[in-house]
Amino acid sequence: DSGVTQTPKHLITATGQRVTLRCSPRSGDLSVYWYQQSLDQGLQFLIQYYNGEERAKGNILERFSAQQFPDLHSELNLSSLELGDSALYFCASSVGGDRNSYNEQFFGPGTRLTVL
Amino acid sequence: GQQVMQIPQYQHVQEGEDFTTYCNSSTTLSNIQWYKQRPGGHPVFLIQLVKSGEVKKQKRLTFQFGEAKKNSSLHITATQTTDVGTYFCAGRDYNQGGKLIFGQGTELSVKP
Repeated sequence: DSGVTQTPKHLITATGQRVTLRCSPRSGDLSVYWYQQSLDQGLQFLIQYYNGEERAKGNILERFSAQQFPDLHSELNLSSLELGDSALYFCASSVGGDRNSYNEQFFGPGTRLTVL
Repeated sequence: GQQVMQIPQYQHVQEGEDFTTYCNSSTTLSNIQWYKQRPGGHPVFLIQLVKSGEVKKQKRLTFQFGEAKKNSSLHITATQTTDVGTYFCAGRDYNQGGKLIFGQGTELSVKP
């Protein structure tokens, strides 16, 4: 158990819909990262928040957005869903914010999203 | 942009054989991390390498960071069925914003 929690574990929805994935980082960790893992794309970095502020952006689509709340939990919002958005979405947390830090990332169990 | 390439994509070995996965970056890395993801699980941190030419060992696992800090390898001696999973390298280049960029992973299967 990494200490990172993600809900829900599974999500099945239809194209065009909007969903919200939730992540609670390990106690004391200020950074939250979101990744998308699909069979043919490996682990794709989407976005990072550090202490409530966006810190880095990866290949995140405009239909996707995220935020980190004052209690440090984070939500990833996926809208206008397409079949290709079906994937495993991981949240990870680390103590620092990456800049001049060498922190390992602790991954949550993931949310498996299926878009039908 | 920064890219981290990992080979091979798949490796099937007989239990007891050795295994190596290689990681190459398009830019000089500040550090590199290795993660293992068991089937149906999530990535779990294994180790971090920071210094040029660094070598670290964890029991049967040997991790190396190249002298130029652009490549790395993970070698497993005498594989066991518990080694099954996907091994990812992840490189960080502070000149490219410091994001951790993951390789595509090497999926290891071990035949008993």
